[in-house]
Amino acid sequence: QSVLTQPPSVSEAPRQRVTISCSGSSSNIGNNAVNWYQQLPGKAPKLLIYYDDLLPSGVSDRFSGSKSGTSASLAISGLQSEDEADYYCAAWDDSLNGYVFGTGTKVTVL
Amino acid sequence: QLQLQESGPGLVKPSETLSLTCTVSGGSISSSSYYWGWIRQPPGKGLEWIGSIYYSGSTYYNPSLKSRVTISVDTSKNQFSLKLSSVTAADTAVYYCARHPSRRAPFDPWGQGTLVTVSS
Repeated sequence: QSVLTQPPSVSEAPRQRVTISCSGSSSNIGNNAVNWYQQLPGKAPKLLIYYDDLLPSGVSDRFSGSKSGTSASLAISGLQSEDEADYYCAAWDDSLNGYVFGTGTKVTVL
Repeated sequence: QLQLQESGPGLVKPSETLSLTCTVSGGSISSSSYYWGWIRQPPGKGLEWIGSIYYSGSTYYNPSLKSRVTISVDTSKNQFSLKLSSVTAADTAVYYCARHPSRRAPFDPWGQGTLVTVSS
């Protein structure tokens, strides 16, 4: 049902780099800022990246965001076991006139 | 440090109205031009924005839920509330409240969430 599509899961070994994609359209990612949230197991989501590529205070610079056209990406470098979580992209959608979340991606550290 | 805390019944019967309150501490709900929103997450599933309210009281809702949702604010109690009518099992979810600086801005911070189960 979500208009933002993410891969269900990604996995990589510790200290490696993973990238999570978020595919949308011109009414959301193509025309509005993308935000990323990290949800640790059993916890509330936490803002990880805002306005495409900005890090909130206190967020590790191992996380980075980018956007091109109607797609966005979240990269995690130097992967650590504490990064195991669900990650969601999100953006405003002009057609729906509402805030939409991505389908979510589970990151597993092998 | 701003904190949000959801509260309300953990069990609601089908066809009844779900009512939740979010209490804001560490800051005034009306001291700045912020929006206050509700987001839910069914067990094992993704996030869904429900709706938001401006501190002055203007609201906007997810079109898919609009006919059943009412969000209100009580500045005297530093709280805002959610009512979802005619609930079914599909409304079973963890409900979160959160702040955002503008209609299109990201949600930050979030409350810890509260599980609401719809069952007879």
